[in-house]
Amino acid sequence: EAGVAQSPRYKIIEKRQSVAFWCNPISGHATLYWYQQILGQGPKLLIQFQNNGVVDDSQLPKDRFSAERLKGVDSTLKIQPAKLEDSAVYLCASSSLRGGGSYEQYFGPGTRLTVT
Amino acid sequence: TQLLEQSPQFLSIQEGENLTVYCNSSSVFSSLQWYRQEPGEGPVLLVTVVTGGEVKKLKRLTFQFGDARKDSSLHITAAQPGDTGLYLCAGPGSSNTGKLIFGQGTTLQVKP
Repeated sequence: EAGVAQSPRYKIIEKRQSVAFWCNPISGHATLYWYQQILGQGPKLLIQFQNNGVVDDSQLPKDRFSAERLKGVDSTLKIQPAKLEDSAVYLCASSSLRGGGSYEQYFGPGTRLTVT
Repeated sequence: TQLLEQSPQFLSIQEGENLTVYCNSSSVFSSLQWYRQEPGEGPVLLVTVVTGGEVKKLKRLTFQFGDARKDSSLHITAAQPGDTGLYLCAGPGSSNTGKLIFGQGTTLQVKP
């Protein structure tokens, strides 16, 4: 079974530029998550999709961040314009919520963003 | 607000030593998970503990869920360099949507 795919793996941009990240979840997983992980910290959820609908985007900085999952499969996360504090690893995860409340999530390798 | 606090934040030990990592909260969680993350990779699930007082073993790793389901621990016996990485505990958010709340992580370095 193929894992969660993300691209690019690394990106360096200047502040005020825009950037986009792509994620392809595990086949059949209805739920997709985008996390931001700042160096030395745990992942922080930015947005959660169930199929192509948003379940939780309470911690997404909506003035600069946007995400979509138009066909309920792959997803893109965009930052426009980027700030220095956006330097982090952006992780995509997917899950197939099972009965009984299992929350196992499968993570991609992440995209390391550096904003200069 | 649900928070998970891990301690210590950083641990550097010699191969063969034992160690324990703690994950604490003031909130009750229905379950807690432990993930390991290696540099340049995403977190990988190690175990899920569901029942208060539950103990699970994964080779040299022992995971325990507190009786009150507010805390968990990870104990590694005879650590090896391959155990090096970031250990994260996580629990489901109160909204029951599948969202996970992560601790800030414990960085473990095992020196040969």
